[in-house]
Amino acid sequence: QKEVEQDPGPLSVPEGAIVSLNCTYSNSAFQYFMWYRQYSRKGPELLMYTYSSGNKEDGRFTAQVDKSSKYISLFIRDSQPSDSATYLCAPGGRDSSYKLIFGSGTRLLVRP
Amino acid sequence: DAGITQSPRHKVTETGTPVTLRCHQTENHRYMYWYRQDPGHGLRLIHYSYGVKDTDKGEVSDGYSVSRSKTEDFLLTLESATSSQTSVYFCAISGDGGGNTDTQYFGPGTRLTVL
Repeated sequence: QKEVEQDPGPLSVPEGAIVSLNCTYSNSAFQYFMWYRQYSRKGPELLMYTYSSGNKEDGRFTAQVDKSSKYISLFIRDSQPSDSATYLCAPGGRDSSYKLIFGSGTRLLVRP
Repeated sequence: DAGITQSPRHKVTETGTPVTLRCHQTENHRYMYWYRQDPGHGLRLIHYSYGVKDTDKGEVSDGYSVSRSKTEDFLLTLESATSSQTSVYFCAISGDGGGNTDTQYFGPGTRLTVL
């Protein structure tokens, strides 16, 4: 079993839809949780991160962590075609030399 | 990608030849990482560095070596390239000296093909 599981998609939604992207993880020692966005043939770019259970909002994006069930979510409101990309979740911990463990990524397509 | 460059950006080589990829940063970040990205596997850590001359293995280090002789450069070497090392290689940095070591910032990637 992988340490971080993520549905690869692709996930296809119409413009304006609310998108839910999810990951599960197995290591309860993870202390922080990152979401990266990666456009085709580009490097991953940091989108959001959170350190605790609960929600963190940034514009149209909300990151949610439930440590009790080891579940990470990213919600995108009013999705735009420019949101079409692969989204990678990546939990990590300071006691592991700040290494991140990446999910395999979910490919999102927002149709105009 | 600001502040992180990778060279070369594309390389085609033959099985058995040595290959060195370079990551250069202008951000003075302490930590540097090399990942490979393959379909279905996401990003997997090859090696990382926590300071000049301080390196350690990651999840998929077999067949790779690294060196870091100065803060700004982190080199990844494939001693004898194999077709299984065909991949996209990403460098990342973290540790900006301002207390934030958790977030990693990625370079643009190097696409390597081993024939």
